[in-house]
Amino acid sequence: SQQGEEDPQALSIQEGENATMNCSYKTSINNLQWYRQNSGRGLVHLILIRSNEREKHSGRLRVTLDTSKKSSSLLITASRAADTASYFCATDASNTGKLIFGQGTTLQVKP
Amino acid sequence: DTGVSQNPRHKITKRGQNVTFRCDPISEHNRLYWYRQTLGQGPEFLTYFQNEAQLEKSRLLSDRFSAERPKGSFSTLEIQRTEQGDSAMYLCASSRGPGQALPNYGYTFGSGTRLTVV
Repeated sequence: SQQGEEDPQALSIQEGENATMNCSYKTSINNLQWYRQNSGRGLVHLILIRSNEREKHSGRLRVTLDTSKKSSSLLITASRAADTASYFCATDASNTGKLIFGQGTTLQVKP
Repeated sequence: DTGVSQNPRHKITKRGQNVTFRCDPISEHNRLYWYRQTLGQGPEFLTYFQNEAQLEKSRLLSDRFSAERPKGSFSTLEIQRTEQGDSAMYLCASSRGPGQALPNYGYTFGSGTRLTVV
């Protein structure tokens, strides 16, 4: 079963623009993570935000978490063609480390 | 350590045959996870281990699927009597977990094994 739902399913922007992806989930969580996947490859961990955190930054990435709305957003600033990939949110609802992934957002950054 | 290694990268098999995949996690990680991913979908949880103990197995996993991590290091995932619906990418990941210093539940994924059942 999928816990997270990403929105939009697909996003196409020009290089240099910002990209925002949203994730909604259903149950209370201990942490939420974002991953990137290039076509045909494994996933790469981008950032983890804990349930008691509201915002986190890592380089050009900014993640917010609103536990009252059960939602998170991932902002990629000053996008590059190399950011073209699928992005997934994943939630750890049981503090067991087991992650449930969403369906993903496919981002295309045009040079 | 070069990360999580999965073998083979690709496997084509005839329906009804058995297949086995191997995953070598990051050596200091005590957690190992198996996921399945079909085109356009997110990874779907199959099972996970802490050391050699299998902690959970998805209800979606039929009795044809079995996974082991006999010495708490590498893991194997076997699919018996494969069906066309088993065609997917099988992903393995590892992470530090409870009992380890600074447990960090961020996963490191392997590149996956793509299974095609014909």
